[in-house]
Amino acid sequence: ETGVTQTPRHLVMGMTNKKSLKCEQHLGHNAMYWYKQSAKKPLELMFVYSLEERVENNSVPSRFSPECPNSSHLFLHLHTLQPEDSALYLCASSQDAGWRADTQYFGPGTRLTVL
Amino acid sequence: KQEVTQIPAALSVPEGENLVLNCSFTDSAIYNLQWFRQDPGKGLTSLLLIQSSQREQTSGRLNASLDKSSGRSTLYIAASQPGDSATYLCAVRSNTDKLIFGTGTRLQVFP
Repeated sequence: ETGVTQTPRHLVMGMTNKKSLKCEQHLGHNAMYWYKQSAKKPLELMFVYSLEERVENNSVPSRFSPECPNSSHLFLHLHTLQPEDSALYLCASSQDAGWRADTQYFGPGTRLTVL
Repeated sequence: KQEVTQIPAALSVPEGENLVLNCSFTDSAIYNLQWFRQDPGKGLTSLLLIQSSQREQTSGRLNASLDKSSGRSTLYIAASQPGDSATYLCAVRSNTDKLIFGTGTRLQVFP
């Protein structure tokens, strides 16, 4: 048990759908992250939140909209996605954002397929 | 721009072998380097973290080394077991505090 949970684990959606990914951490951390993992590509950092404020937006298209209502929960709202957005979306948390010695704890991911 | 490369992309070995996974990075200005393990259907688990001032870290049968000046790290797995089968990811923390990941080495250890 990593202390970071993600729901749903699998999601299939059409390009016109609206859906949300949820992440919850039970570790008392202050920072949360969204990553995208596509086949044969390195993990790509999408967003970073520190104490519920977005501190990093890594040039992600606006069809991905993050929300962090509190330090334990992180959402990724999806709308009008493209097939190339199909990937594994990983959530992570760490004690603090930007603390260089800090390790990140990852959730199991949501496998997203866009038809 | 920092780039992280892992070789080989896939590796299949019989149980009991000692093996080495390689990671290289293009910019030696890093703060630390981490090795992660990723099992199918699961997230990443941190195995070892080496600070830029350190040369190596050990945990059980795992040993990771870091040569910052040459931009290389190796993960040594001793006496491999089928349970070691997973994808191993290397990540460096750059001077922008971001974790930059490699594409991973998919390891299969067969009985």
